[in-house]
Amino acid sequence: AQTVTQSQPEMSVQEAETVTLSCTYDTSESNYYLFWYKQPPSRQMILVIRQEAYKQQNATENRFSVNFQKAAKSFSLKISDSQLGDTAMYFCAFMNLQGAQKLVFGQGTRLTINP
Amino acid sequence: DVKVTQSSRYLVKRTGEKVFLECVQDMDHENMFWYRQDPGLGLRLIYFSYDVKMKEKGDIPEGYSVSREKKERFSLILESASTNQTSMYLCASSLTTGRSGANVLTFGAGSRLTVL
Repeated sequence: AQTVTQSQPEMSVQEAETVTLSCTYDTSESNYYLFWYKQPPSRQMILVIRQEAYKQQNATENRFSVNFQKAAKSFSLKISDSQLGDTAMYFCAFMNLQGAQKLVFGQGTRLTINP
Repeated sequence: DVKVTQSSRYLVKRTGEKVFLECVQDMDHENMFWYRQDPGLGLRLIYFSYDVKMKEKGDIPEGYSVSREKKERFSLILESASTNQTSMYLCASSLTTGRSGANVLTFGAGSRLTVL
């Protein structure tokens, strides 16, 4: 079974700073996706970024980028020029592409951006 | 945009009551999921369905059942609610692999259930 671990329950940074959220996972599969989802306070979960395991290039979406280290089974999220609207719970998630496409989530990191 | 709508945002029920949580998606997604979200535990999969009338157990199915009679609707049922089922419940849907946009789950706003 796959497991996803987020070791930082809470983080706090000042607006405009760069912040990195950590995620490690454990799997014996070779064909999978990794995701970061964001859940703002009292709002719904939305996709931030996705990484296909077969791609060596790290995914980037505007101010959000990942550092995907496949051998180390590490998948961190970097948020550049952080904004107040980035305040949210962030979840790292794993999807095995063999069989049912279900997500396995980490415990979450509560990120607060301070003005 | 795909919309996943959960019928109730907040519910308060008594121990032993039967509880229905409804979820409807409007973009013809094959896959639908029910997750439970608890602080420090992240999201855990209760049940999922990849087709009408099909269902598969997730990681924590005990005390729950599901129904999928129509493609767009996936219901979570608590046959006899207990206090340890107090939680946030999230519904999600996705396209099956091979279709454009597949493998990305779209979530509903959540249903916060309190069992007294």
